[in-house]
Amino acid sequence: EIVMTQSPATLSVSPGERATLSCRASQSVSSNLAWYQQKPGQAPRLLIYGASTRATGIPARFSGSGSGTEFTLTISSLQSEDFAVYYCQQYNNWPLTFGQGTKLEIK
Amino acid sequence: EVQLVQSGAEVKKPGESLKISCKGSGYSFTSYWIGWVRQMPGKGLEWMGIIYPGDSDTRYSPSFQGQVTISADKSISTAYLQWSSLKASDTAMYYCARHGGGVSSTLDYWGQGTLVTVSS
Repeated sequence: EIVMTQSPATLSVSPGERATLSCRASQSVSSNLAWYQQKPGQAPRLLIYGASTRATGIPARFSGSGSGTEFTLTISSLQSEDFAVYYCQQYNNWPLTFGQGTKLEIK
Repeated sequence: EVQLVQSGAEVKKPGESLKISCKGSGYSFTSYWIGWVRQMPGKGLEWMGIIYPGDSDTRYSPSFQGQVTISADKSISTAYLQWSSLKASDTAMYYCARHGGGVSSTLDYWGQGTLVTVSS
């Protein structure tokens, strides 16, 4: 099973600033990496797939990069609605696995 | 509009059985895999397993194999997750989600979640 490790566990950023979240895979997952956003009391929402492709309706301030074992989610200018928990997920190998999440909080 | 609507919250006792549901609409239900994801209180997401409603091909994460049963009734566009004997550790929110691009793919649409509470 591929282990996905996210860092940091919690990130404190001020509105308008840039946030950078990291995800590392225990072995290569090629570009088969997705990012999800989860707000309190809500189901997760797909943000990014294929490591760098935004899902339908996702604002351009969200961008993903990386391949192999190292991935990054960048939010260029944080809006109030972006404060949430973010999960990465690999879908290259069975079983599919998620990272433990990064909580993005208001500084 | 693609929608996955899950059954309501459940409160059960240890040892009881349970079957929760996930009804799809707005797309061809038989053409996409449906996965189940567990989220224990205050914790992260765990992918449990998957079913292809078109032919009921089912696969499980090793962590959940033998612990739950995934099924589907394509005639009513509904997938199910069931337990034969619940434990307190099964207390969690359970989500169904559509796999957008095949058996190994992202989860592009999610249900609203079903909260299962197991307590004596």
